[in-house]
Amino acid sequence: QKEVEQNSGPLSVPEGAIASLNCTYSDRGSQSFFWYRQYSGKSPELIMSIYSNGDKEDGRFTAQLNKASQYVSLLIRDSQPSDSATYLCAVNMGNSGYSTLTFGKGTMLLVSP
Amino acid sequence: KAGVTQTPRYLIKTRGQQVTLSCSPISGHRSVSWYQQTPGQGLQFLFEYFSETQRNKGNFPGRFSGRQFSNSRSEMNVSTLELGDSALYLCASSLATSEKETQYFGPGTRLLVL
Repeated sequence: QKEVEQNSGPLSVPEGAIASLNCTYSDRGSQSFFWYRQYSGKSPELIMSIYSNGDKEDGRFTAQLNKASQYVSLLIRDSQPSDSATYLCAVNMGNSGYSTLTFGKGTMLLVSP
Repeated sequence: KAGVTQTPRYLIKTRGQQVTLSCSPISGHRSVSWYQQTPGQGLQFLFEYFSETQRNKGNFPGRFSGRQFSNSRSEMNVSTLELGDSALYLCASSLATSEKETQYFGPGTRLLVL
């Protein structure tokens, strides 16, 4: 069973702090990794994608990938109350086809003013 | 460019009925994937269509089926509805030229089975 694991949270951080969200995956052959944000009652929207080991930065967001440890994380700097949402880690696992994402159950982030 | 659209947005059905949901992908996208989202199970992959062919299928019973038309629009059908089929059904489209392709989600169809 190919799985993606996330801490369900909630993860509570004060405004302006760094939020760190983590994800592990079971299939060592996985090549593509995505972070989606989902507000309550809405559909997921893409925040970051990462394919190579290391860090990838986009504005206040940094995705980190460590394929040896089968671990991917998302850092949100200068967290804002508007960042309060559920963050979904998604992995396109090896041999599952181009467009088959396996999702974690998400981590709820709460940013307090 | 218009995003992924799904119709209807909300649906109420009773047990035993069947339902058809529709998804129009982003223009130029040839892949459409369907997901079911429930509070308990999270987002689960149903199936993916590319150029009118089902390429991948998740672990769902045969009551769940789908198809894709030549214009890449897709429909999914659920027959003999059960209470447990109440969920948010999401479709996502992508160019699907490689595994790195991003999937873009539609707003979803919220199905309630009574």
